[in-house]
Amino acid sequence: DAGVIQSPRHEVTEMGQEVTLRCKPISGHNSLFWYRQTMMRGLELLIYFNNNVPIDDSGMPEDRFSAKMPNASFSTLKIQPSEPRDSAVYFCASSPYQADNEQFFGPGTRLTVL
Amino acid sequence: KQEVTQIPAALSVPEGENLVLNCSFTDSAIYNLQWFRQDPGKGLTSLLLIQSSQREQTSGRLNASLDKSSGRSTLYIAASQPGDSATYLCGGSNYKLTFGKGTLLTVNP
Repeated sequence: DAGVIQSPRHEVTEMGQEVTLRCKPISGHNSLFWYRQTMMRGLELLIYFNNNVPIDDSGMPEDRFSAKMPNASFSTLKIQPSEPRDSAVYFCASSPYQADNEQFFGPGTRLTVL
Repeated sequence: KQEVTQIPAALSVPEGENLVLNCSFTDSAIYNLQWFRQDPGKGLTSLLLIQSSQREQTSGRLNASLDKSSGRSTLYIAASQPGDSATYLCGGSNYKLTFGKGTLLTVNP
């Protein structure tokens, strides 16, 4: 199995630009998570999908952030407009069945907003 | 709201030493607890998952225990090696994972 796949691995953009991060979960996994990691706040859950449906988006910082999961094999996290404080590493993770199963993480996308 | 604390924040040991990493959580109503390893610039690698009905899990030189009543989990690493150097994170799940800040482990040859 290829594991969780994320793209791009690195993204550098200027303030105000739109950023789209992509994730392909492990085949057969029903739950997908987006996390953000910063030095100050550590790892934080942004949003959780189960069977392609958003279950908990309470961690999404503000309306500039949106996430979609159009099918079981693809999800996007979009930031529009981006700000320097959005600079972080964004991880996607997936788990079988539901959220209390073991989670498997992708390699992350390092986002830098200038 | 679940809060997870990891102690110590950093640990440096000589090769071959046995060591214990600590994780405490405030909400005992967790479904499971998961230990991860993170290498610099990399993603998280799952090490051990302890379900709420279990007390411990073992994998090779790693042993993790869970005591829900006291809100604690420990990760025991036997005969540490330089390749064990990494940041170790614990996450408590009551449907979503809440992480501690991690313990940065350095094993010196």
